[in-house]
Amino acid sequence: EAGVAQSPRYKIIEKRQSVAFWCNPISGHATLYWYQQILGQGPKLLIQFQNNGVVDDSQLPKDRFSAERLKGVDSTLKIQPAKLEDSAVYLCASSLSHGSSGNTIYFGEGSWLTVV
Amino acid sequence: DAKTTQPPSMDCAEGRAANLPCNHSTISGNEYVYWYRQIHSQGPQYIIHGLKNNETNEMASLIITEDRKSSTLILPHATLRDTAVYYCIVRVNNNAGNMLTFGGGTRLMVKP
Repeated sequence: EAGVAQSPRYKIIEKRQSVAFWCNPISGHATLYWYQQILGQGPKLLIQFQNNGVVDDSQLPKDRFSAERLKGVDSTLKIQPAKLEDSAVYLCASSLSHGSSGNTIYFGEGSWLTVV
Repeated sequence: DAKTTQPPSMDCAEGRAANLPCNHSTISGNEYVYWYRQIHSQGPQYIIHGLKNNETNEMASLIITEDRKSSTLILPHATLRDTAVYYCIVRVNNNAGNMLTFGGGTRLMVKP
């Protein structure tokens, strides 16, 4: 079974530029999460989708971050304009959210962003 | 989700058992204990989870105390590749897709 796919793996941009990250969850997984992980800290949830609807985006800095999951499968996370403090790993994760064993969350390898 | 407390770091000799403790004294009756680990430059990897009974899989064993206020993750024969940050998380396990709330974790260093 293929895991959660993310791209690009690494990105370096200048501050005030924009960047987009793409995520393809495990096939059939209804719930998709985007996490931000700053160096030395645990991951922090940015946004959670259930199919193509937003469940929780309370921690998403909406003045510069946006995310969508239009067809309930792939998702993109965009940052515009980027700030130095956005340098982090952006992790996508998914879960089946169905059935007694469907609630385990699986993570992708992450997209590493450096803002200079 | 309930807060968990883990030691910030631990060492373990290669080939020996690694026992990673976690305190979750305010855990609710419907919250499970989950363990993930994160090897450098990779995403978090699911290890195991449980409610009140001890659990074992091909990666590890999970021992939960009878009062459910603490648990221990056991890696029976640690290898150098088990060096990672281990996160203990408590989470309601239902079909609502509840998120994981990560703390600081325990940095396990397996030494030759």
